Amino acid sequence: DQQVKQNSPSLSVQEGRISILNCDYTNSMFDYFLWYKKYPAEGPTFLISISSIKDKNEDGRFTVFLNKSAKHLSLHIVPSQPGDSAVYFCAASANNAGNMLTFGGGTRLMVKP
Amino acid sequence: NAGVTQTPKFRILKIGQSMTLQCTQDMNHNYMYWYRQDPGMGLKLIYYSVGAGITDKGEVPNGYNVSRSTTEDFPLRLELAAPSQTSVYFCASSYRRGPLNYGYTFGSGTRLTVV
Repeated sequence: DQQVKQNSPSLSVQEGRISILNCDYTNSMFDYFLWYKKYPAEGPTFLISISSIKDKNEDGRFTVFLNKSAKHLSLHIVPSQPGDSAVYFCAASANNAGNMLTFGGGTRLMVKP
Repeated sequence: NAGVTQTPKFRILKIGQSMTLQCTQDMNHNYMYWYRQDPGMGLKLIYYSVGAGITDKGEVPNGYNVSRSTTEDFPLRLELAAPSQTSVYFCASSYRRGPLNYGYTFGSGTRLTVV
């Protein structure tokens, strides 16, 4: 039973447009959410995070939105660049579970020049 | 500034063989983890360690063993390799102080094929 789901395995976007990656979770105890980016043959790297006390966090071209009632978060990339092409993992943790990360299955983003 | 180093990067094993995946970190992180990544399934936690001498099972520990004799090293042992263990393995570390876990740093992975 996947507690964190990324229902779109892939997404293709034109350079300069917005990329929206979605993530749903089922565990209401999750209180911290992260996005990781992974290039081929490399380990995942941290991108952006959000605490459950917020509904938005912004860092340059990247914004994460959290809708707690819907148990849904999304990552917006504006404008998208070819270098953003990678696999993006959503992850969640719960303070009462040692803050171990639970990962979604990933979404492969392709940004076309 | 090496971060988390994993060796080897690639390995092909025959069914029933054994091997150890090495992981070392130079950031003095207290927490270390082993994940496996299967296609479309995200990262599954195999084992983790909260400090030297302390290890615990994650979500998918069967077929694996770990040890943590030092803060820096966290090797993963496969005793009797099976085709179901074909995967990409990632080691990670983090610094945890109290309730806060200050993010994970991942190694570049070991791609293992069992034939």
